Amino acid sequence: DAGVTQSPTHLIKTRGQHVTLRCSPISGHKSVSWYQQVLGQGPQFIFQYYEKEERGRGNFPDRFSARQFPNYSSELNVNALLLGDSALYLCASSPWAGTVNTEAFFGQGTRLTVV
Amino acid sequence: KQEVTQIPAALSVPEGENLVLNCSFTDSAIYNLQWFRQDPGKGLTSLLLIQSSQREQTSGRLNASLDKSSGRSTLYIAASQPGDSATYLCAVHGRPGNTPLVFGKGTRLSVIA
Repeated sequence: DAGVTQSPTHLIKTRGQHVTLRCSPISGHKSVSWYQQVLGQGPQFIFQYYEKEERGRGNFPDRFSARQFPNYSSELNVNALLLGDSALYLCASSPWAGTVNTEAFFGQGTRLTVV
Repeated sequence: KQEVTQIPAALSVPEGENLVLNCSFTDSAIYNLQWFRQDPGKGLTSLLLIQSSQREQTSGRLNASLDKSSGRSTLYIAASQPGDSATYLCAVHGRPGNTPLVFGKGTRLSVIA
């Protein structure tokens, strides 16, 4: 079975541009979460989606948005990019809410560099 | 607000040594705790998940323990190998269902051959 897949793996953008990152969860997983990891820090929570609805939002500006599609894949969008948005963006999938097993599985990440 | 701390921030050991990585959290009302491994520039690989009702979990040379009341977890690595060199991250879930993980900053481990 395929794990969590993210695309693209790397990209470089200019300040002020817009970026869209994509994530496909593990088959059967209905929950997708997004995290931002800057160098030397632990991942910080951005968004969580379950059954196409937003279930949680971290302390990030409105320039960050996301959505989940009927096939449970997800997109993270960032507008008006700043240099400080340069980071590794991680997507995690987990089984549906209510199960005992909430183990999270992460993709390989998208390395975003803003210049 | 839950805070997770990992000590030490970095650790260098000779091959073959047994070692312990520490993780502490401020709010003991957690649902589960998960240990991850991260290679440079890569994503996270789940190593062990401990439910709040459990005291420990084992996988191969890895053993993780959880003491909820004291807000602590340890990851024990037996007979370390150069291939174990990576950053190890601890993360906690605050409650059941779709809740975000709260991460520590990680411990960067180097195993010297």
